[in-house]
Amino acid sequence: GAVVSQHPSWVICKSGTSVKIECRSLDFQATTMFWYRQFPKQSLMLMATSNEGSKATYEQGVEKDKFLINHASLTLSTLTVTSAHPEDSSFYICSAKLGTGVYSNQPQHFGDGTRLSIL
Amino acid sequence: QKEVEQNSGPLSVPEGAIASLNCTYSDRGSQSFFWYRQYSGKSPELIMFIYSNGDKEDGRFTAQLNKASQYVSLLIRDSQPSDSATYLCAVRRSNYQLIWGAGTKLIIKP
Repeated sequence: GAVVSQHPSWVICKSGTSVKIECRSLDFQATTMFWYRQFPKQSLMLMATSNEGSKATYEQGVEKDKFLINHASLTLSTLTVTSAHPEDSSFYICSAKLGTGVYSNQPQHFGDGTRLSIL
Repeated sequence: QKEVEQNSGPLSVPEGAIASLNCTYSDRGSQSFFWYRQYSGKSPELIMFIYSNGDKEDGRFTAQLNKASQYVSLLIRDSQPSDSATYLCAVRRSNYQLIWGAGTKLIIKP
């Protein structure tokens, strides 16, 4: 149980392109999903918390107009990197949590991640 | 002082021995504690979680929590080369925010 699917696994595209990444909870409903970014040999960095039916909560220093998050259903959240540039190249990982909302003590389950390379 | 601290390692352990990974945290009101394993180039995978003081065992893994001393540890018995990875400690604070440690790199030597 608690399977999270993330697509695509790899994206290589030109500078200026917008890229959409999907995160789906396959066998449970997730009112809250999370988006992380990880640079090589560095720790996970939380970018934003995605709440079903409401606006995402972004961490300090993360541009909400650059990283658009939509959580339109209980099983799908999307992250769109708009007008991507080489410095946006990174490993993007989503996670979802069982239970209701941010106050659940349940663990987060991660998707397989998306490796984004901007040329 | 970081909110969640882990020794970055690498921690080198012979195959078949017990690997002991430690994590300390600063928020005394923290409620939930999680251990994840992350292989190079992959996303984190949940190993165990623990909410109450004491030990929790699952196969070769044991999580130990001591809230008075504010540390949580992960023991891996009969270590295998496939256990070589970075182990991430995550702590849910009293305000429900999840704070991640930077991870300990574990190397199991055959």
